[in-house]
Amino acid sequence: AQSVTQLDSQVPVFEEAPVELRCNYSSSVSVYLFWYVQYPNQGLQLLLKYLSGSTLVKGINGFEAEFNKSQTSFHLRKPSVHISDTAEYFCAVKLRDSNYQLIWGAGTKLIIKP
Amino acid sequence: DTEVTQTPKHLVMGMTNKKSLKCEQHMGHRAMYWYKQKAKKPPELMFVYSYEKLSINESVPSRFSPECPNSSLLNLHLHALQPEDSALYLCASSQDKGLPIGLFGPGTRLTVL
Repeated sequence: AQSVTQLDSQVPVFEEAPVELRCNYSSSVSVYLFWYVQYPNQGLQLLLKYLSGSTLVKGINGFEAEFNKSQTSFHLRKPSVHISDTAEYFCAVKLRDSNYQLIWGAGTKLIIKP
Repeated sequence: DTEVTQTPKHLVMGMTNKKSLKCEQHMGHRAMYWYKQKAKKPPELMFVYSYEKLSINESVPSRFSPECPNSSLLNLHLHALQPEDSALYLCASSQDKGLPIGLFGPGTRLTVL
């Protein structure tokens, strides 16, 4: 069965420091990969997605992620975080050959310390 | 217009009430979704509409009744809810149900007393 694991439930980091949020998935078939962000008391917004092509994907707000097929990972990175990046971040996958929708990770709360 | 709108933002209802949540998009997307999200959890898929027809029902209790009156509108009718149904209800859309969701609405925060 397919699954998505976000290894850290919370990641505290100082403002202007770099951050990496980890995501690993398990699937026997090819997948599409996504990162969504949910700011406090808001809905979800797509940060970036990997569908095919270059394994380094750039998204909004200075975030990027790298797809590593051999390690089945899709870690999210930002070189310098701001207070405004405080949010919950969800990794999700979609099976390529399925009309079915997303399989979600449990989420990682990014906490920015001043 | 590149957003998904949801009304109301907040809703408090008793267990005997009947209420409706509304979702609207004007991007020409042909797939629309209802998700339920409990605090500090990822969203759970409830329903998928494709070309205005119900495509997926994730074994949702019948006290939740979806409706898609046209290609831009999606409703969720609520009746005889339980306190455990309190959650954030998110609407989303995509160009087609086989394509990724890029956009969720801001959600309706529902409290059932």
